[in-house]
Amino acid sequence: AQKVTQAQTEISVVEKEDVTLDCVYETRDTTYYLFWYKQPPSGELVFLIRRNSFDEQNEISGRYSWNFQKSTSSFNFTITASQVVDSAVYFCALPNSGNTPLVFGKGTRLSVIA
Amino acid sequence: NAGVTQTPKFRVLKTGQSMTLLCAQDMNHEYMYWYRQDPGMGLRLIHYSVGEGTTAKGEVPDGYNVSRLKKQNFLLGLESAAPSQTSVYFCASSTRAYLAPYEQYFGPGTRLTVT
Repeated sequence: AQKVTQAQTEISVVEKEDVTLDCVYETRDTTYYLFWYKQPPSGELVFLIRRNSFDEQNEISGRYSWNFQKSTSSFNFTITASQVVDSAVYFCALPNSGNTPLVFGKGTRLSVIA
Repeated sequence: NAGVTQTPKFRVLKTGQSMTLLCAQDMNHEYMYWYRQDPGMGLRLIHYSVGEGTTAKGEVPDGYNVSRLKKQNFLLGLESAAPSQTSVYFCASSTRAYLAPYEQYFGPGTRLTVT
């Protein structure tokens, strides 16, 4: 079965530090997609990125970047120059199979201290 | 465009009571989902629907029932609430996936406490 492991339960950094959130996955599919979501203290879940297993290039969006490594089944998320507003729980996810519902990791709680 | 809305936002039930959570989306999405979120457990899928009139079980379906009578609505029912069902419930929707899964849009959540 599909599985997502986010080994870091909680991370605390000082503002302006860089931080990497780890995501390791298991899948039986040869083609698959990976997702990251953010859940700020207000509680809603916000979509951040969807990535295709065919494309192993790093993705960068402002201070956010994602490193996809098929060889190690990892899809790590880095925040550069972290800010207090980045404090949230971050979830990595992939579909259970094909195009069906997402299976989520248990999340990593990031606290950015001013 | 409200996106995904959930009713109610908060609810307290006594053990054995029943209730229905309503999810509505105005994005004309085919797929809808119900998840529960518990501390340290991430989000776990309860039931989902790939179209009007269809439903399927997720990872933790026991104690819940669902119905999708209209495309825009997805109802989650608890027939006899138990303290183990104390959780935050999230509804989500996504467009039909042909070649690839699309991102799911989430509602604001319903915080349910069963005493």
